[in-house]
Amino acid sequence: GQSLEQPSEVTAVEGAIVQINCTYQTSGFYGLSWYQQHDGGAPTFLSYNGLDGLEETGRFSSFLSRSDSYGYLLLQELQMKDSASYFCAVRDPGGFKTIFGAGTRLFVKA
Amino acid sequence: GAGVSQSPSNKVTEKGKDVELRCDPISGHTALYWYRQSLGQGLEFLIYFQGNSAPDKSGLPSDRFSAERTGGSVSTLTIQRTQQEDSAVYLCASSLGQDGGYTFGSGTRLTVV
Repeated sequence: GQSLEQPSEVTAVEGAIVQINCTYQTSGFYGLSWYQQHDGGAPTFLSYNGLDGLEETGRFSSFLSRSDSYGYLLLQELQMKDSASYFCAVRDPGGFKTIFGAGTRLFVKA
Repeated sequence: GAGVSQSPSNKVTEKGKDVELRCDPISGHTALYWYRQSLGQGLEFLIYFQGNSAPDKSGLPSDRFSAERTGGSVSTLTIQRTQQEDSAVYLCASSLGQDGGYTFGSGTRLTVV
């Protein structure tokens, strides 16, 4: 089976940098994705890492180390609007579904 | 359409009644997924469609749950004889293929009383 672990909550200050970690256990691997979800909203796709290394998209970056079964989402220059839940996700290699972690709730304080 | 559309946005139903939830994916997206999210929890996979066929139904929690997709587009998730534990937000997503990110709809919040 597949499982992902990420912290349940992270708190940071506006303007700071925060890193949300994700470790996974899978029988195969097809890449790690990240989604953002504001309260009452739909999950929104942020990034995908299929290979090791860092992918950067504006203030957000995502990193993957396949040898360590580990990835992280890095948010820079935090803004209040970044307060949301962030989910890491992997595709189930034995089927067609994407498995999501339980989510990390990010609180950004002034 | 421009995005994934789900209806109704909210549904309150009595225990034991049947409900139908609708999803209209992005035009041209062949892959369609249903997920369920309980309050403050992660996303629980229910079913995947590729075109009109459902190669993965492994997440449907019981035989009270069924889904279909017609014309490779609109999908309907049906819950028969609803129970209180069915209360959750039901999210639909679509994608061009299995790789890449999903585009989610805003969900249907189902409350069984």
